[in-house]
Amino acid sequence: DSGVTQTPKHLITATGQRVTLRCSPRSGDLSVYWYQQSLDQGLQFLIQYYNGEERAKGNILERFSAQQFPDLHSELNLSSLELGDSALYFCASSVAGAHGANVLTFGAGSRLTVL
Amino acid sequence: GESVGLHLPTLSVQEGDNSIINCAYSNSASDYFIWYKQESGKGPQFIIDIRSNMDKRQGQRVTVLLNKTVKHLSLQIAATQPGDSAVYFCAENREGSYIPTFGRGTSLIVHP
Repeated sequence: DSGVTQTPKHLITATGQRVTLRCSPRSGDLSVYWYQQSLDQGLQFLIQYYNGEERAKGNILERFSAQQFPDLHSELNLSSLELGDSALYFCASSVAGAHGANVLTFGAGSRLTVL
Repeated sequence: GESVGLHLPTLSVQEGDNSIINCAYSNSASDYFIWYKQESGKGPQFIIDIRSNMDKRQGQRVTVLLNKTVKHLSLQIAATQPGDSAVYFCAENREGSYIPTFGRGTSLIVHP
């Protein structure tokens, strides 16, 4: 157990729907990162939050949004889902938010299947 | 557990052999590199890291080599065990960024 908790583990939904993925970071970690892992693109960085504020943005679609709450848990919202959104979504956490030598601790992922 | 199912290069070795997994990076300004291991049904797990001012770092049964001249990184696993079977990713932090950029990954299969 890495200490990063993601729910749900599996999610099956239909095109056009909206889902929310949840992440609880490792105790003491202030930063939360979201990554998408698909067959074609490998691990792609989506977005990072540090202590409640958005800190960095990657290749996140406009249909996707995220937030980090005061208790530091984070949610990734995916809307108007398309078949191509089917992927594993990983949350990771780290202590720091804006320094090098940044080691991420990953959760087990949420597998999203869009039918 | 579930499989990621990525279309990845694969390295097959026999138990007890040494394994070498290679990674090429493209950004000469990258200053920090990390190797992650992803087992089936799990998220990536930190193995070892190296800063750009070093060319070698050793851990327990693992060694990372960095060749900045040709922008190449390798992970050597000594006496490979079946439990080492996983997908291995190299990740780089580009200069001024603390967000790891992941490579495509290599699938290591260890045969007993």
